[in-house]
Amino acid sequence: GQQVMQIPQYQHVQEGEDFTTYCNSSTTLSNIQWYKQRPGGHPVFLIQLVKSGEVKKQKRLTFQFGEAKKNSSLHITATQTTDVGTYFCARIQGAQKLVFGQGTRLTINP
Amino acid sequence: EPEVTQTPSHQVTQMGQEVILRCVPISNHLYFYWYRQILGQKVEFLVSFYNNEISEKSEIFDDQFSVERPDGSNFTLKIRSTKLEDSAMYFCASSTDRVNTEAFFGQGTRLTVV
Repeated sequence: GQQVMQIPQYQHVQEGEDFTTYCNSSTTLSNIQWYKQRPGGHPVFLIQLVKSGEVKKQKRLTFQFGEAKKNSSLHITATQTTDVGTYFCARIQGAQKLVFGQGTRLTINP
Repeated sequence: EPEVTQTPSHQVTQMGQEVILRCVPISNHLYFYWYRQILGQKVEFLVSFYNNEISEKSEIFDDQFSVERPDGSNFTLKIRSTKLEDSAMYFCASSTDRVNTEAFFGQGTRLTVV
């Protein structure tokens, strides 16, 4: 299958610092979704990006879709302890399946 | 807020035994999925289900696995003869239409095969 590569695998920051995770594909993506999974929890949908160069914001979270639609990023400004968790990007493959990246686990020092 | 519910939350079974994991998707959703996540790893697609039949399945979803929608509300995953490597968190998910919109995930069932 066509995988999505996500980096970094782990990120530890001080509370208040920014955080960014990157998602890359070797092939063009029709769209990309982002999910957050709290420790011990389940994936929760954050956003879907569809258009080339698209930028969407949700409070302190900024999502970008690359111009070539081969990469995406999630940036969190001024992290808070509630941001702790693993952030996954996911591509849609075929008609009905999500292919998840390996995820970036974010831990925060309060 | 509507949610996907899964039971049980934790299942321990002996190797070779059959297990059935149960899910109640969100009521007006039409597409149903099972994913699994081995501890500390990424979420992996197993199968999608629409209109009372499997619409797509992964290479993981071999003959030991089956899914069923026995009535209008439940969606089940059966593993006929569990193996140690089946130990994982199994997530049920549903969506209103094809996966171009968000998938709503249940809380998961942690399956431990001993």
